[in-house]
Amino acid sequence: DVQLLESGGGRVQPGGSLRLSCVASGYTFTFHAAGWVRQAPGKGLEWVSGISGSGDVTLYADSVKGRFSISRENAQNSIFMNMSSLRSDDTATYYCVRFRSVLPTATYFDYWGQGSPVTVSS
Amino acid sequence: QSVLTQPPSASGTPGQRVTISCSGSNSNIGSNNVYWYQQFPGTAPKVLIYRNNQRPSGVPDRFSGSKSGTSASLAISGLRSEDEADYYCAAWDDRLSGYVFGTGTKLTVL
Repeated sequence: DVQLLESGGGRVQPGGSLRLSCVASGYTFTFHAAGWVRQAPGKGLEWVSGISGSGDVTLYADSVKGRFSISRENAQNSIFMNMSSLRSDDTATYYCVRFRSVLPTATYFDYWGQGSPVTVSS
Repeated sequence: QSVLTQPPSASGTPGQRVTISCSGSNSNIGSNNVYWYQQFPGTAPKVLIYRNNQRPSGVPDRFSGSKSGTSASLAISGLRSEDEADYYCAAWDDRLSGYVFGTGTKLTVL
């Protein structure tokens, strides 16, 4: 079975940094792009970032461009997201997602992790 | 900020058919596939419909999707109490070079 397990969430002050990790299992990791979707408390879903199976293509939502950086380590079946210059509106549950295709463009998220909560507050 | 517009709520009685609309633009729904996700409180979303009208294995055929122009719809027939959840449409947006989600619809089974 495909599983995605996030870690690294927590509470951080505005302007601070945090690193999210996601370990995947149950499939050939390099055959699929992966990324992150977030959901603020009581709000809807927002796509954040995606990275291709090889790691050479990365995409970001405008709301996080320049502040967040996605990467992957295929030998560890893991993706990461380094988040910096965090703001209160980054407070959300961050879901690790598997993309259906090897590229992170024009496809869909066929598996989701259980989510890692991030709170940005002083 | 969501780019795709959905009604905030929908409701029906058991056995009824309900539809949820999703309105977008030429850069997203008008030129790309639409996907639908179902989310129960406190849990992660799961894909319900892909490529406008395809169901993943395990999704009952009571759920169906359609697309016309810059709008899409999710229909649920034979409504059941366990269908009570939040539903989101989504699509790739060529102008933004990213994914956009709908505003979400909370379905209540009366």
